[in-house]
Amino acid sequence: AQSVTQLDSQVPVFEEAPVELRCNYSSSVSVYLFWYVQYPNQGLQLLLKYLSGSTLVKGINGFEAEFNKSQTSFHLRKPSVHISDTAEYFCAVMMRTGANNLFFGTGTRLTVIP
Amino acid sequence: EPEVTQTPSHQVTQMGQEVILRCVPISNHLYFYWYRQILGQKVEFLVSFYNNEISEKSEIFDDQFSVERPDGSNFTLKIRSTKLEDSAMYFCASRETQVYNEQFFGPGTRLTVL
Repeated sequence: AQSVTQLDSQVPVFEEAPVELRCNYSSSVSVYLFWYVQYPNQGLQLLLKYLSGSTLVKGINGFEAEFNKSQTSFHLRKPSVHISDTAEYFCAVMMRTGANNLFFGTGTRLTVIP
Repeated sequence: EPEVTQTPSHQVTQMGQEVILRCVPISNHLYFYWYRQILGQKVEFLVSFYNNEISEKSEIFDDQFSVERPDGSNFTLKIRSTKLEDSAMYFCASRETQVYNEQFFGPGTRLTVL
């Protein structure tokens, strides 16, 4: 079985400050890892994904994440946030074989304060 | 840019009524999904659909639920005899091929059961 934990339900941060949104996962099989963002009244948009290779992956809007297999983590980071980054962020995993559905965390609401 | 659309954006219904949530996936996509998110909880997989049949379903997807692709463009989720606990945001997603590929999400339908 797979599970995803996002410990921080809300993260307030000042504009131009760095941010890290934490994600830990548990799975008995190898997985792909994802971060999705949801802006108000919009659908889920893929920010970045880890499939294989380099453990540091870069996504859209200046975000990056690092896969750490030993810690089963996939934390999302941005060195300097903008007001427009205010949104809900979801970490998700997908099994590499078999079913292709996504297992999501509970989400982290990032609020950027001017 | 092609996108997944969902209608209605908000549906209010009385307990015990049937509802149909509609999705129009991206036109060349072959795999379709429904997910739901109860307020304050994680996004949960309901069902995946390929080649006019269900390929995977979660334990949530019981006999109360059904999916259909009635006309080659729409992908619907029917909930028979709605319960209060069915109140949630329902997301449709689609992807192109069997090989790993990104799932594109619609903006969601907020279902409120009174």
